[in-house]
Amino acid sequence: AQSVSQHNHHVILSEAASLELGCNYSYGGTVNLFWYVQYPGQHLQLLLKYFSGDPLVKGIKGFEAEFIKSKFSFNLRKPSVQWSDTAEYFCAVTINTGTASKLTFGTGTRLQVTL
Amino acid sequence: GAVVSQHPSWVICKSGTSVKIECRSLDFQATTMFWYRQFPKQSLMLMATSNEGSKATYEQGVEKDKFLINHASLTLSTLTVTSAHPEDSSFYICSVTPNKGEQYFGPGTRLTVT
Repeated sequence: AQSVSQHNHHVILSEAASLELGCNYSYGGTVNLFWYVQYPGQHLQLLLKYFSGDPLVKGIKGFEAEFIKSKFSFNLRKPSVQWSDTAEYFCAVTINTGTASKLTFGTGTRLQVTL
Repeated sequence: GAVVSQHPSWVICKSGTSVKIECRSLDFQATTMFWYRQFPKQSLMLMATSNEGSKATYEQGVEKDKFLINHASLTLSTLTVTSAHPEDSSFYICSVTPNKGEQYFGPGTRLTVT
């Protein structure tokens, strides 16, 4: 079964600092990769996704992620964080089977942006 | 994307009673829905895959007789927590998958069993 690892459990940054959150998965086949964000008191929202093609994926709110197949990684980045980016970030993966498939989530990274 | 609603958003029940949680797909017909459970400050754990018109598929370790899932229509799936106990207190979230890849999540239902 596939698994997802997020090594940063809690990250604290000042506004305007750059962000990189690590995500590694374990599955040798074709995968779909996602980053979801959960703002305090809100439901999960899709930040960005990778299915195929350009490994550098741009999402909403200035976020991007790069799929590096050789490293089984899909790290999330943002050049300059804002206080409003304070949230929980989850990396997730599905096996690309062409049918509705199950999401496996990482443990999440809590990002706290200070003013 | 897709719009998903859940009802109720918060429920408190006494130990031993049953609670039903509804998940509705508001803007498309969902043959498959997923039910997750999220403990405080933890990640989402998939409980089961709800299939319209057929039995749900449960993940290993999830008691199907305790967490009853019914997906009677293309827009509604229900999760019933039977004989609830305090350890069942959690945040229950459903999702739909319009594109067989990405999933869109409901706002969740917070269950507190006293």
